[in-house]
Amino acid sequence: DAKTTQPTSMDCAEGRAANLPCNHSTISGNEYVYWYRQIHSQGPQYIIHGLKNNETNEMASLIITEDRKSSTLILPHATLRDTAVYYCIVRVPNTGNQFYFGTGTSLTVIP
Amino acid sequence: EPEVTQTPSHQVTQMGQEVILRCVPISNHLYFYWYRQILGQKVEFLVSFYNNEISEKSEIFDDQFSVERPDGSNFTLKIRSTKLEDSAMYFCASSEGGTALYGYTFGSGTRLTVV
Repeated sequence: DAKTTQPTSMDCAEGRAANLPCNHSTISGNEYVYWYRQIHSQGPQYIIHGLKNNETNEMASLIITEDRKSSTLILPHATLRDTAVYYCIVRVPNTGNQFYFGTGTSLTVIP
Repeated sequence: EPEVTQTPSHQVTQMGQEVILRCVPISNHLYFYWYRQILGQKVEFLVSFYNNEISEKSEIFDDQFSVERPDGSNFTLKIRSTKLEDSAMYFCASSEGGTALYGYTFGSGTRLTVV
């Protein structure tokens, strides 16, 4: 699976958009980008995933660059409950069922 | 919204004792997983389970570990002889499909403390 690089930590003001970057410069053509988050000591929570098109759901938007070497998770109106560690994971489907969680980005939403 | 339920939320056991961690996956999901997270460390994959057998396991999942789906609803992780280093949060997860096209739903975890 391709390696990902994320900032260790970020702050965001409550109500503002949180933009979390992820670099995956060695991504291959059939690898998907997944985002999960983990709120303090809880189980990881699936947020969104995509291959090359931008994706949006009720939680977030995923913007993938045209060359697919990086992506950004956007939380459009961050709330205090969005304070969590956010994991960007890149993997190929059908190569096993596990996800490799790195160290992620610790997002703190500030009142 | 459907949930993955784990019990107990916290278990304390003596070194060398057997423990069984229990999970009730989402009812229409077919793939089941156990992950663990040692305090302050990464979330680590242990095992995946499909069609009543292990489909994949990590190096962590040695002979001391076993999994079982004893009935149509429960999915259990057994540690035969616990060690101090088994102290961790253990997360159960399930998914509708087995490929990486599906996100998992994780439970809230069982905190295992081995003393």
